Amino acid sequence: DAGITQSPRYKITETGRQVTLMCHQTWSHSYMFWYRQDLGHGLRLIYYSAAADITDKGEVPDGYVVSRSKTENFPLTLESATRSQTSVYFCASVGTSGALAKNIQYFGAGTRLSVL
Amino acid sequence: AQKVTQAQTEISVVEKEDVTLDCVYETRDTTYYLFWYKQPPSGELVFLIRRNSFDEQNEISGRYSWNFQKSTSSFNFTITASQVVDSAVYFCALSEMGSSGSARQLTFGSGTQLTVLP
Repeated sequence: DAGITQSPRYKITETGRQVTLMCHQTWSHSYMFWYRQDLGHGLRLIYYSAAADITDKGEVPDGYVVSRSKTENFPLTLESATRSQTSVYFCASVGTSGALAKNIQYFGAGTRLSVL
Repeated sequence: AQKVTQAQTEISVVEKEDVTLDCVYETRDTTYYLFWYKQPPSGELVFLIRRNSFDEQNEISGRYSWNFQKSTSSFNFTITASQVVDSAVYFCALSEMGSSGSARQLTFGSGTQLTVLP
């Protein structure tokens, strides 16, 4: 199916473990983003990518690593998970042409991560 | 730096009442985009509207309307004759406009939880 998909939808892990959240989009959008949602903060940008092999930090990048070897995939890795990284994580991409309206970010369904 | 403020943390109304959600933004950019997203209890983020900074026309879509006032840096959202299905968290967001007119990363407000009671 076309769209932007995140996996897993739910994840429980322990402090210190490495966790990778996956994001896949089928629109060939250049820009992709990772946000985290916490109560009282709305959504905050972790990392973004303008194209394959081009990534940059957002507002809250500490403790996270991203890569983008292919346009359609943008995984987010927590190298050593901490309790403060318990959150809901959203991936998004920007529609700039084609069937989707221009310059609108479309979001995946989110990954709910709990770090115990 | 960009900032979006949604001062109303929670609003509760009775069905059929009108309700306005406030959004105030700060940016040094002269061109930018403003957005509203809806997050229903199921958790997904649903796009509602995008406005660019040089178009201050108000917009109406069914029961939804948006009032963009550049002079006060506000982009308020009104739901007319609210319904229970409107219950959700609503986010206002701001994006710079890239050199080609493309949108960039979003700066979100903290959201307003709207509860519509039957």
